[in-house]
Amino acid sequence: GQQLNQSPQSMFIQEGEDVSMNCTSSSIFNTWLWYKQDPGEGPVLLIALYKAGELTSNGRLTAQFGITRKDSFLNISASIPSDVGIYFCAGAQSPGRGNTPLVFGKGTRLSVIA
Amino acid sequence: DTGVSQDPRHKITKRGQNVTFRCDPISEHNRLYWYRQTLGQGPEFLTYFQNEAQLEKSRLLSDRFSAERPKGSFSTLEIQRTEQGDSAMYLCASTQTDTQYFGPGTRLTVL
Repeated sequence: GQQLNQSPQSMFIQEGEDVSMNCTSSSIFNTWLWYKQDPGEGPVLLIALYKAGELTSNGRLTAQFGITRKDSFLNISASIPSDVGIYFCAGAQSPGRGNTPLVFGKGTRLSVIA
Repeated sequence: DTGVSQDPRHKITKRGQNVTFRCDPISEHNRLYWYRQTLGQGPEFLTYFQNEAQLEKSRLLSDRFSAERPKGSFSTLEIQRTEQGDSAMYLCASTQTDTQYFGPGTRLTVL
């Protein structure tokens, strides 16, 4: 099936550092989403992007919808210990924004060293 | 708490047994989704409903799997004759407009 290529697979960073991760696809997606998942829990939405070129922030998080509609990135500034978790990108191909079936990447596991 | 709830949170079963999971979406959300997540992977879409109508099923949903949403509110996912390869986290999500909100998942272990 379709896949989103997410990188890096894992990151170990010092508290206070900035983090950058990205997601690419060979197919066009009309919606890009970024979720965070803690162990034993379901994914929680961080940022939603609905328009090519869109740049959106949510606190220390910033994400962009690539102009080609085939990629997206997520930046976290000044990381803190509670940023630890697995970050997933997800895309929806069908028009209709985020309410159609999502395709997920394999995740980026973030570890923060205090 | 008015989020998506799933029951049970954990299920251990023996190969060949049938299991059923329940999902209660956020009230008034008309779309409900089932995803499966195996270790080290992202969630993979299984099926989804708009109200009581099942709109789409992925190829991952073999004939041993069946999902229902009889009154357009809660949904059940049944797996018949479970296999070890069915071991995974089964996630439910719901939406009214643009955002899919996920439940905590049901972790299935097939021995």
